[in-house]
Amino acid sequence: AQSVAQPEDQVNVAEGNPLTVKCTYSVSGNPYLFWYVQYPNRGLQFLLKYITGDNLVKGSYGFEAEFNKSQTSFHLKKPSALVSDSALYFCAVREWGDDKIIFGKGTRLHILP
Amino acid sequence: GAGVSQSPSNKVTEKGKDVELRCDPISGHTALYWYRQSLGQGLEFLIYFQGNSAPDKSGLPSDRFSAERTGGSVSTLTIQRTQQEDSAVYLCASSPPGSDGYTFGSGTRLTVV
Repeated sequence: AQSVAQPEDQVNVAEGNPLTVKCTYSVSGNPYLFWYVQYPNRGLQFLLKYITGDNLVKGSYGFEAEFNKSQTSFHLKKPSALVSDSALYFCAVREWGDDKIIFGKGTRLHILP
Repeated sequence: GAGVSQSPSNKVTEKGKDVELRCDPISGHTALYWYRQSLGQGLEFLIYFQGNSAPDKSGLPSDRFSAERTGGSVSTLTIQRTQQEDSAVYLCASSPPGSDGYTFGSGTRLTVV
């Protein structure tokens, strides 16, 4: 069965600095990988996904993620953090042939002004 | 409608009572998913409906939990004999045919006292 690990419960970054939120996954076949964001008192929003092709995927709000098959990772990155990026971020995986997405436990990102 | 609608937005119930949570997906979305978000537990998959196929119930935590989807549209998640550990935010999502993208509702916050 597929699974996702987000090793950090919380990440603190100073505004203007680059940020990375880590994610590793486990699937038996080819993975479909996703990042979602949850802002306070708002629903989950889709950020980006990797299905196939270029390992570097660009998404909403200036975020990007890099698929690394050898390390089974899909870390979320942004070159310059904004205070408004503070939110709860979820990594997720879908296994080929299975329609459901499995989410990680989430990483709370705090951008310090 | 424009988005996934969930009702009620908040529900407080006494331990041992039954509750019903409703999800109205986006029109035309054939797939519907229920997840549970508990503090520190991330997003836990509960059940998945796809068109007229048998639902994937593999995530339901106990036989107190059940869900149905009538007419391929509205879904109801029922929790019987609620327990305090059932307290969580219950999220519904839907997606159109052939898409990997979920649209989430705002959730129902269930508190069992």
